[in-house]
Formats: sequence, structure tokens, C-alpha cells
Amino acid sequence: TQLLEQSPQFLSIQEGENLTVYCNSSSVFSSLQWYRQEPGEGPVLLVTVVTGGEVKKLKRLTFQFGDARKDSSLHITAAQPGDTGLYLCAVSGGYQKVTFGTGTKLQVIP
Amino acid sequence: GAVVSQHPSWVICKSGTSVKIECRSLDFQATTMFWYRQFPKQSLMLMATSNEGSKATYEQGVEKDKFLINHASLTLSTLTVTSAHPEDSSFYICSAAGTGLRGGYTFGSGTRLTVV
Repeated sequence: TQLLEQSPQFLSIQEGENLTVYCNSSSVFSSLQWYRQEPGEGPVLLVTVVTGGEVKKLKRLTFQFGDARKDSSLHITAAQPGDTGLYLCAVSGGYQKVTFGTGTKLQVIP
Repeated sequence: GAVVSQHPSWVICKSGTSVKIECRSLDFQATTMFWYRQFPKQSLMLMATSNEGSKATYEQGVEKDKFLINHASLTLSTLTVTSAHPEDSSFYICSAAGTGLRGGYTFGSGTRLTVV
């Protein structure tokens, strides 16, 4: 059983479309992070959410932390080919260990 | 910003040989470093936690005698894959946590290991 389940697992959309990626768990977290990883590279931190119900925006990306701090979503508006990559949610646990979600591979077709 | 350098970026080795991967924090002291493995189209799986000057802590199912981790200084941790087998072929990524870092963690650019 995965601590963090992401859906969908794969997503292929046309440029300009909107999409939402979900990160779900049965556990409560004090904070949650979203990363984007491109092929052959390490993950890059996009955002950290810490408050239940919090919404953060990063240009065309909107991140929301669930009220109960068990889940999160990432919404991308008007997707661009440059948004292509593997999106990972993650939480920090004991001893600063980061546990990653199952991942969502996004492909934006020009 | 905090930078973590990982070397080599890719390596091909023969079965039975050992391969060393280095992870360096360039502009901060990394009290703790983490090693992950990522198989194609999958997420990152934590292998071990490396603390400067002490033995690494391995996750369940990770063979400590096969994946040797050394964190001899506050800026360098190494992962040595010993007696490599084709099934060890994977993408290995390190990350670092240290003083002054806020929020998430800084990751290296990864090492693609292919064992032939």
C-alpha cells in the first residue's frame, strides 16, 4: 500500500487544455510538497503547502491542500509543452525523509 | 540557492563490478543526505538515509552490503553499488538536507546506471 496515491498515472493532453492531478492519502500531514521531474533529471520543488485548505498559485499552476491535510491537487491551466514531465507529490516524515507519491506522467502535445 | 552535484550522470559497467556515485552539496553543509532509486516510469523510492560521520540507515528491503553508503564529510556522500547485476540498472538520485534550507529538499541531477 502506497502512502501517497496519485491519479491519474498518465495523462496526455493537447496544448491549451486544463488538467488536474490528485494526491491522496489516508494519513494526515503537516505539509506536502509538489515536484516536477524531467527525464534524466532530479525532481525540482514547485511548492510546499502547509495549511489545511491552503491554495497557492505559481503562474498557471494552482496547488490546493485539502482541509483535512490528507490530500492535495495540482491544477494546470492552458497547459504548454514545457509542462511535460513527471509530477510528484511528497511528504516529509521522521528524520527529514521525503516519501514520494506514485507519480503522474504528463505529456502536453503541441 | 542550494545546489547538489551528482556524478557521474551516467555509467555503464559490467556485471560483477562495483560503481561509485558521488553526491556533493556545493554551497551548504548537508548534515543528512538521502539516496533514492527510480525505475522507468516509476516514482522515487528511498533507499537509505546518510548522516555525516555515522552509519547509514537503510530502508526495508535494501541490502546494506550491496549498496554501501559513506558520508565522510558535510559536503560529500557516496553510494557504491557492489557486485552489480543487470537488475541494479536504474536511475539513482541523491538529495540533501542541511542548515538554512527551507521547505523542500534539493536533489542531484541523478545517475543513470546500466549494468551489462
